[in-house]
Parts: sequence; C-alpha cells; structure tokens
Amino acid sequence: DTGVSQDPRHKITKRGQNVTFRCDPISEHNRLYWYRQTLGQGPEFLTYFQNEAQLEKSRLLSDRFSAERPKGSFSTLEIQRTEQGDSAMYLCASSFSQAPLHFGNGTRLTVT
Amino acid sequence: AQKVTQAQTEISVVEKEDVTLDCVYETRDTTYYLFWYKQPPSGELVFLIRRNSFDEQNEISGRYSWNFQKSTSSFNFTITASQVVDSAVYFCALSGPNNAGNMLTFGGGTRLMVKP
Repeated sequence: DTGVSQDPRHKITKRGQNVTFRCDPISEHNRLYWYRQTLGQGPEFLTYFQNEAQLEKSRLLSDRFSAERPKGSFSTLEIQRTEQGDSAMYLCASSFSQAPLHFGNGTRLTVT
Repeated sequence: AQKVTQAQTEISVVEKEDVTLDCVYETRDTTYYLFWYKQPPSGELVFLIRRNSFDEQNEISGRYSWNFQKSTSSFNFTITASQVVDSAVYFCALSGPNNAGNMLTFGGGTRLMVKP
C-alpha cells in the first residue's frame, strides 16, 4: 500500500493552455474522488467515480473540466483553456466502498 | 444546503496546553456524517474521525477527544497536552446520507500552531 499518488506535484501553465493531472488510487479502492482547494480554504468536492463510472459531478466542474477513470484504476483530470481562477491545489482521494477517504498530496496548479 | 463553519482561523498555544477547535454545521438531512481531518505542512489530508448523526457519544483517542452535540449543531475537537507535532490545519467536514458521506463539505479550517 503506497498510498494515493498524484502527478505532477506542481504545474505552472499560461492562461489558455490545457493541463492534465493524474491520480493513482490505492490499488484495492473502488472509489476515487477529486477535490479542489484554494489557498486558505477547505477542499471543495468536484467529482467521484465508482470503478469506471462517474457518479457525481459538482456544479463547480464547468464544461472546461473533464475527468476520466477508463479502467477503474487511475484517473485523469483535464482542464481546457485554463483561467487564472483555476489556480488551486487539486486533491485526489480514494476509498474502498464507504470507508473514509485517503487523500494524495495533491497537484498544485498555477495559471499565469 | 450544507455548511460548516470553523470560526477560529488560527490558534496559537504553548506546548502542553489543551486546545479546543470549534466546528458548527448546518444541514437539513436527518442522517449525516461529521469528520475531522488534519492537514500538516506536507499537504496530505489525514483522516482523524467520522461520526454519524445518530451517535452522540463523545469519543476519546489518546490525546484527542471529540464532543458532538446535536442540540447546538457542533462537533468540537480537543487536543489535550498539545505537542509541536500537532501543528497543522484542521478541517471539520460534513456529508449527507448518500454514499455514506464521502462527498464532503469542508469548513474553512483552523490553523493550529503549537510552540515549544
């Protein structure tokens, strides 16, 4: 059990560019979650998957955001046409069924 | 709509002091779950506790204790004999009955600084 792994740890991009983040959950966990945390705030729920099915999406997830979990293992979160307001820490978490979440260290996105 | 308020944005104590972190929540659900997470400087959120709305018993785990009071919609967290390693941001969170609560609404967090 190596924990939830996120890549990259940091990403700096120019406004208007597309970015993609990856999350590898704990191997036996069937549920995977994405949260976003801006500086000085608590995390905000974005979306979650059970196996490969995306079951919930927050209103925070605009149409520029898309998340996938194609084989029910790792997940990707893509942001198209990034804006400065997208700058935040993107947190991935996983769980086995309804057990409490295990969070990764996050990907810090800076949009210049 | 759900809401979690952590009125204390920052607390500073000296090692060995006791400290209580306040959490007040709002929800219309009759079944809900309350959580506390710790976020040390490394950034990874660490799960501390989950309680459901039907269990108002206080809980103690080592130096940590939690006081859940439905009458005041509060779920406060006390650290006894604080240590420097307790320095972190602590988040209280709430979820509804769906999915047994892993779609969490977090409070704004309380930064705890424990000085030697």
